[in-house]
Amino acid sequence: AIQLTQSPSSLSASVGDRVTITCRASQGISSALAWYQQKPGKAPKLLIYDASSLESGVPSRFSGSGSGTDFTLTISSLQPEDFATYYCQQFNSYPLFGQGTRLEIK
Amino acid sequence: QLQLQESGSGLVKPSQTLSLTCAVSGGSISSGGYSWSWIRQPPGKGLEWIGYIYHSGSTYYNPSLKSRVTISVDRSKNQFSLKLSSVTAADTAVYYCASLQQLVHSFDYWGQGTLVTVSS
Repeated sequence: AIQLTQSPSSLSASVGDRVTITCRASQGISSALAWYQQKPGKAPKLLIYDASSLESGVPSRFSGSGSGTDFTLTISSLQPEDFATYYCQQFNSYPLFGQGTRLEIK
Repeated sequence: QLQLQESGSGLVKPSQTLSLTCAVSGGSISSGGYSWSWIRQPPGKGLEWIGYIYHSGSTYYNPSLKSRVTISVDRSKNQFSLKLSSVTAADTAVYYCASLQQLVHSFDYWGQGTLVTVSS
């Protein structure tokens, strides 16, 4: 079965920083990869679908890229509301989530 | 815009069956383009997909849970349901229902989640 590994597992950064989170698949997958943001006590929110398409209403500082086995989520300039946990999700035979990356304030 | 709302028992005894329902508003559960999913998140842990059902009624389950999961749809009430049998403490989690876009395979609408605790 395909495994998704996110790195880093946690990250400390400051407002205004550029941040990149990586999601690596154990074997090549299609571009059907999504990124979600989850804040404590809330449901995940879709940010990016199809590896690089920005969900409607999501700020343009969020971007996604990648193909094959390596995918990235980039936040170009961190805002206070961006401190949260981020998950990647792929769909090969069935949906699978990465283990999450916790983004904390430095 | 779709809205999803989970309901069901928040406390289930070990070995019993967990039952949850997700009411869908803002669109028909019978229309194409979506499959209707359940996802769970144990306290302090990550997300685990449980399964989904197509508008046609076809179901797909996580292989690790397949033997214990049943997802069904009630088109007359525009809702779908989850049953998870033989629960243990490891099934304690926040359970979310969500819509899975079939074209791009991403979960675009989520319920708020409901905590289910397995305890005697």
